[in-house]
Amino acid sequence: QKEVEQDPGPLSVPEGAIVSLNCTYSNSAFQYFMWYRQYSRKGPELLMYTYSSGNKEDGRFTAQVDKSSKYISLFIRDSQPSDSATYLCAMISNDMRFGAGTRLTVKP
Amino acid sequence: EAQVTQNPRYLITVTGKKLTVTCSQNMNHEYMSWYRQDPGLGLRQIYYSMNVEVTDKGDVPEGYKVSRKEKRNFPLILESPSPNQTSLYFCASSLTRGPYEQYFGPGTRLTVT
Repeated sequence: QKEVEQDPGPLSVPEGAIVSLNCTYSNSAFQYFMWYRQYSRKGPELLMYTYSSGNKEDGRFTAQVDKSSKYISLFIRDSQPSDSATYLCAMISNDMRFGAGTRLTVKP
Repeated sequence: EAQVTQNPRYLITVTGKKLTVTCSQNMNHEYMSWYRQDPGLGLRQIYYSMNVEVTDKGDVPEGYKVSRKEKRNFPLILESPSPNQTSLYFCASSLTRGPYEQYFGPGTRLTVT
């Protein structure tokens, strides 16, 4: 079993939809949780960074961490075609682990 | 412009021919690292460096070497590449002393035949 599980998708939604991206993990030592966005033929770029359970909001993006369920989510409100990318979750304890990524397409 | 650069961006080589992928950052970052990205496996760390002359193994170091002689540069060396090292490679750097808030380079697609 992988330490971090992420549904690879692909996920296709219409413009304006609310998108929910999720990761589950097995290592309860993970303390820092991140979401990266990776456009095609580009390197990942950091979107959100959280330390504790709860919600963190940044514009149209909300990151949610539920440590008791070992589950993290990224919500994108009012999704735009420019949000079309692969989204990677990542977690840190003593080591860093990435999810395999979910490919999202937002259709105009 | 603050950035991480990698060269080359694309490379096709043959088994056993030594190669180096360069990585440079202009942000005065302490922490630098190398990852490989493979379908279904996500990003896996190869090596990292917390400062000049300080390097350590990540999760998949076999077949790779690194050096950190200057703060801005962190080259990845494949002494004898094999087909299982065909992958997409990313260099990253961070102002922090760990893999937090990393800036990634554009990637190097390596094919070993």
